[in-house]
Amino acid sequence: AQTVTQSQPEMSVQEAETVTLSCTYDTSESNYYLFWYKQPPSRQMILVIRQEAYKQQNATENRFSVNFQKAAKSFSLKISDSQLGDTAMYFCAFIIYNNNDMRFGAGTRLTVKP
Amino acid sequence: DGGITQSPKYLFRKEGQNVTLSCEQNLNHDAMYWYRQDPGQGLRLIYYSQIVNDFQKGDIAEGYSVSREKKESFPLTVTSAQKNPTAFYLCASKASGIYEQYFGPGTRLTVT
Repeated sequence: AQTVTQSQPEMSVQEAETVTLSCTYDTSESNYYLFWYKQPPSRQMILVIRQEAYKQQNATENRFSVNFQKAAKSFSLKISDSQLGDTAMYFCAFIIYNNNDMRFGAGTRLTVKP
Repeated sequence: DGGITQSPKYLFRKEGQNVTLSCEQNLNHDAMYWYRQDPGQGLRLIYYSQIVNDFQKGDIAEGYSVSREKKESFPLTVTSAQKNPTAFYLCASKASGIYEQYFGPGTRLTVT
């Protein structure tokens, strides 16, 4: 079974600091995509960043970057220079190639404090 | 503007009544999805559809039904057989050949 685990239900960070959200997953497949989605208080799910499993280089989108460790099945999200608008639930997700079943973790609630 | 719309934002129903949640997209995406979100849990897949007139059950399809008569529309019916229907429901879609899904704003359903 494909599972995603986010071991940090809640985290907080001071504005302008850096925070890392953890995610591990379990699959026997070797070809898949990984994602981080953000769900602010409006509850609109927003794609933050994506990583293709065959790429060794870690994805980066502005202040957001990932640390992808395929052997360890780990996919953490680093947010640099945290802003108040980063306050949200963050969900880790993955999907296997040629599959329609995207699996989500339970989420990490991040609060950015002024 | 291209996007996914869900209506209504809040929906209230009495127990025993069927209710239909709307999902429309103008992104020309082939695949559409329905998820349920409960507190402390990630999104769970209810149904998905890759093409018109075809759909597949997800992990928690019991008590739900869908239709896909048009590419743009994928309504979800929560039937009276669904034992715990109060939840937040999210619709998503994706284009062929890519894997990221794009989400609508969601519908909060409360059944009393």
